[in-house]
Amino acid sequence: DAGVIQSPRHEVTEMGQEVTLRCKPISGHNSLFWYRQTMMRGLELLIYFNNNVPIDDSGMPEDRFSAKMPNASFSTLKIQPSEPRDSAVYFCASSLVTSGGTNTGELFFGEGSRLTVL
Amino acid sequence: GQNIDQPTEMTATEGAIVQINCTYQTSGFNGLFWYQQHAGEAPTFLSYNVLDGLEEKGRFSSFLSRSKGYSYLLLKELQMKDSASYLCAVEDSNYQLIWGAGTKLIIKP
Repeated sequence: DAGVIQSPRHEVTEMGQEVTLRCKPISGHNSLFWYRQTMMRGLELLIYFNNNVPIDDSGMPEDRFSAKMPNASFSTLKIQPSEPRDSAVYFCASSLVTSGGTNTGELFFGEGSRLTVL
Repeated sequence: GQNIDQPTEMTATEGAIVQINCTYQTSGFNGLFWYQQHAGEAPTFLSYNVLDGLEEKGRFSSFLSRSKGYSYLLLKELQMKDSASYLCAVEDSNYQLIWGAGTKLIIKP
């Protein structure tokens, strides 16, 4: 089975440019998470979708960040305009959450997109 | 507030045993997870505890005490490939994962 697929794996861009990160979750999973990881702040949840609907976007830093999930097999995280402080590894993860809200016990992460904003 | 505490870094010797502790204070509790993350790679699931006690899985074991807000990950017969960061995460009452900053484990020959 294919795992969570993210693209691009690496991106270097200049401040002010738009960045779009893409994610394909594991087929059959109903929850998708976007995380950001830096040395200083560790792993931070940015936004969480359940059945393609955004449930919690309280972790999105500011209006420059937006995320969409148009269907069960695709999600994007967009940063516009990008800033040097956005440099980080962005992980997408998926899981299967039961109707009671309980996680089955495992979050599957993609390999991450390493973003460098100059 | 919600808080997960774990040591920043630990060093151990190949073949030995190491215990990585995690203490938590969260809004409710629906389970505790341990993930392993090698440098430059994604976190991968190691264990899940929701009831008190010890869960054993090969060389790795995880313990939970809900009354103490405490867990540990025990790694036996350490191998060089166990050098990684180990992340503790707690699922709160809203079923959201609260992550610790991770413990970097260095294995020496």
